Amino acid sequence: GIQVEQSPPDLILQEGANSTLRCNFSDSVNNLQWFHQNPWGQLINLFYIPSGTKQNGRLSATTVATERYSLLYISSSQTTDSGVYFCAVRGGAAGNKLTFGGGTRVLVKP
Amino acid sequence: DGGITQSPKYLFRKEGQNVTLSCEQNLNHDAMYWYRQDPGQGLRLIYYSQIVNDFQKGDIAEGYSVSREKKESFPLTVTSAQKNPTAFYLCASRASGGGEQFFGPGTRLTVL
Repeated sequence: GIQVEQSPPDLILQEGANSTLRCNFSDSVNNLQWFHQNPWGQLINLFYIPSGTKQNGRLSATTVATERYSLLYISSSQTTDSGVYFCAVRGGAAGNKLTFGGGTRVLVKP
Repeated sequence: DGGITQSPKYLFRKEGQNVTLSCEQNLNHDAMYWYRQDPGQGLRLIYYSQIVNDFQKGDIAEGYSVSREKKESFPLTVTSAQKNPTAFYLCASRASGGGEQFFGPGTRLTVL
């Protein structure tokens, strides 16, 4: 099946810093989503972005489908940005299933 | 409110007992999914259903069973055959024809 790799696995930031999270995938995709998992376990939808660039406040994302990667940008980080960020894709032979990466654990220090 | 609800939030069971986790959605979505998450790990697919009265095994279906008798409901039963059932279970749904997938708040199952 399709493989999804996220980097870095862990990220420690000082409040106000910017950062970039990366998601690489092994096959063509027709869906790519970024999620933020909060401390209570809830998965919050950040972006639905199979291609192109989107922005939502301090967060933005870019997917380059032809090169099989996506980037999530966090600008002016806040302590509430802490948590785990997951990339998930749907595509390849398993077109009906969303496959998750291992996540990037982010800690923003005040 | 539109959304996905899961109950209970926390569940404790003794070894050898079957337990059923509830998932309900009022988004009129055709597809529903069950995932398992272990501490520090990503999500793994247990079962999914694209339409009422039909479902398929995911990557880790052994020891689990599901039913899809209604569009709104997709309960998951964790059977005594599941060797290591303690985990966080997440239900999700998606409209047919592709698009964004949404998740419920999850159920934490602990086997005592």
